[in-house]
Amino acid sequence: DGGITQSPKYLFRKEGQNVTLSCEQNLNHDAMYWYRQDPGQGLRLIYYSQIVNDFQKGDIAEGYSVSREKKESFPLTVTSAQKNPTAFYLCASRTSGGSTGELFFGEGSRLTVL
Amino acid sequence: AQSVAQPEDQVNVAEGNPLTVKCTYSVSGNPYLFWYVQYPNRGLQFLLKYITGDNLVKGSYGFEAEFNKSQTSFHLKKPSALVSDSALYFCAVRDNTGGFKTIFGAGTRLFVKA
Repeated sequence: DGGITQSPKYLFRKEGQNVTLSCEQNLNHDAMYWYRQDPGQGLRLIYYSQIVNDFQKGDIAEGYSVSREKKESFPLTVTSAQKNPTAFYLCASRTSGGSTGELFFGEGSRLTVL
Repeated sequence: AQSVAQPEDQVNVAEGNPLTVKCTYSVSGNPYLFWYVQYPNRGLQFLLKYITGDNLVKGSYGFEAEFNKSQTSFHLKKPSALVSDSALYFCAVRDNTGGFKTIFGAGTRLFVKA
């Protein structure tokens, strides 16, 4: 079945450590996104990528980094520069034909900083 | 700038009664509008979207939404609520100028009482 796989589902990090969240899709979608979800704040866009080897900052990119070396993969690194990284992280993808397509989401990764 | 407002943090309804979850938006140009549902610790699932045409859009699980351009609203509705509809609902907007950013509202928690 086609879909988006995020791993790990739960992750604990000590302050000062970088962590990388994995996102893989087999939907053959061009565009991929990372969102952060905090209670009562909805989803906020961290980074997005329209094609391989290209990505743009979203609204809250500080303290995060991404890469897009393959169409299927869009990993997110939460760096030690991110001051409040505890959150639920969601990866999504979408076809790039026009702007009408809906987003497909993974099951999320919950990061907790100890 | 694009924005989405969901004025109610929570909506309570009795099973069998009709439900409405409100959404208003602001976008330059014509909007593409979406509704998603999220169950605890899961990713978002697409319910329905408005792109163009008929203002009443039908989606998954018996949900529908009405696009009202003059009121810039896109309220989610269901004629008869089920306990299993209890979840977090997100309204989202994207502009039709070829943009890749989808902006989400803060979410409305729907609680359906048996």
